[in-house]
Amino acid sequence: NAGVTQTPKFRILKIGQSMTLQCTQDMNHNYMYWYRQDPGMGLKLIYYSVGAGITDKGEVPNGYNVSRSTTEDFPLRLELAAPSQTSVYFCASSYPTESYTFGSGTRLTIV
Amino acid sequence: GQQVMQIPQYQHVQEGEDFTTYCNSSTTLSNIQWYKQRPGGHPVFLIQLVKSGEVKKQKRLTFQFGEAKKNSSLHITATQTTDVGTYFCARSGAGSYQLTFGKGTKLSVIP
Repeated sequence: NAGVTQTPKFRILKIGQSMTLQCTQDMNHNYMYWYRQDPGMGLKLIYYSVGAGITDKGEVPNGYNVSRSTTEDFPLRLELAAPSQTSVYFCASSYPTESYTFGSGTRLTIV
Repeated sequence: GQQVMQIPQYQHVQEGEDFTTYCNSSTTLSNIQWYKQRPGGHPVFLIQLVKSGEVKKQKRLTFQFGEAKKNSSLHITATQTTDVGTYFCARSGAGSYQLTFGKGTKLSVIP
């Protein structure tokens, strides 16, 4: 089992560019999540999905979009990257009410 | 509302000393989860507490859930350098499964 796999691990993006952060899990988890982590601020929920075809906004969704066409994949799209989106992004998955399994993260810098 | 407050934000201890971090909520928690994040790493699940007054142990780690289910603590006995990292508590929202994380307690252990 690979668990939760995120790509890329690092990326530098210019202001105004767009990119997709990939996340895939092989544990057949229904629930998937995207969090961002800024220094000293904990983890903030961007978007989540309770199953294929269903997504919903979290605490900080502005500037991001997601899709969930399959159980395994939950990509996060940044359109028109802004410096405020410089952060570490974590994807996670779980069964309902159970613990999260996190990916190793994507460190994104917007310049 | 759905926030959890963690104290302290930082803790520096000498190796061999004990360490405690606290997680507090203004509303009753259905459950509380604890995660550990090593420097440069991703959060890793430690434990989930569900019952009022519950106490669980994992080797040198002791987790407690308050009687009123509004607070929780993590105590590490005789810290080691391998305990270095940030410890997060997380709660699920009313009627939802997505977790809201505290800001974490960053533990440094001086050899």
